[in-house]
Amino acid sequence: AQRVTQPEKLLSVFKGAPVELKCNYSYSGSPELFWYVQYSRQRLQLLLRHISRESIKGFTADLNKGETSFHLKKPFAQEEDSAMYYCALSGLGSQGNLIFGKGTKLSVKP
Amino acid sequence: DTGVSQNPRHKITKRGQNVTFRCDPISEHNRLYWYRQTLGQGPEFLTYFQNEAQLEKSRLLSDRFSAERPKGSFSTLEIQRTEQGDSAMYLCASSSTGGSSYNEQFFGPGTRLTVL
Repeated sequence: AQRVTQPEKLLSVFKGAPVELKCNYSYSGSPELFWYVQYSRQRLQLLLRHISRESIKGFTADLNKGETSFHLKKPFAQEEDSAMYYCALSGLGSQGNLIFGKGTKLSVKP
Repeated sequence: DTGVSQNPRHKITKRGQNVTFRCDPISEHNRLYWYRQTLGQGPEFLTYFQNEAQLEKSRLLSDRFSAERPKGSFSTLEIQRTEQGDSAMYLCASSSTGGSSYNEQFFGPGTRLTVL
């Protein structure tokens, strides 16, 4: 079955602390992995995708095919990082419909 | 505003009524997606268009749901005989098959449906 699992519903850290949002997936073919973010009262937007290998707003994510994981990391969390984060996948070369996890709410305390 | 737009933003209806939502994608995008999101869940794929052709439908899309994209531009999603279980946020996204944003989906603000 094709599935994305985000085990934490809520993650709370203090400003300046490292943060890691976990994402595991199950997919029979070659997946493309994404992280989407939704800030308060804003629309869902792409944060990063594994094929671009970019670091956006200090966040990075590495695709680990052996562990079927795509964890999102940031060494020093900022208050403005507080948001809902969704991990998603689609099939490489597919028509692109996304399979989302349930999301993790990140709260960065001052 | 050149982003994806959706109308209406909110819709309250009584059980059994029909509702229709509209999505206007980014103008140069040829792919358009509909998703549904309920409380505590991530978005779930409903259906997908490439230009005017509806190429894929999820099993979530019951016979009461129909989507169109008649000229390959805007799309409508209709729900007939609404049920309380249809209450959700309905999201539209669009993407391009070319350029630097290849297959990056841009989401609209959503239409929140409440069925009483």
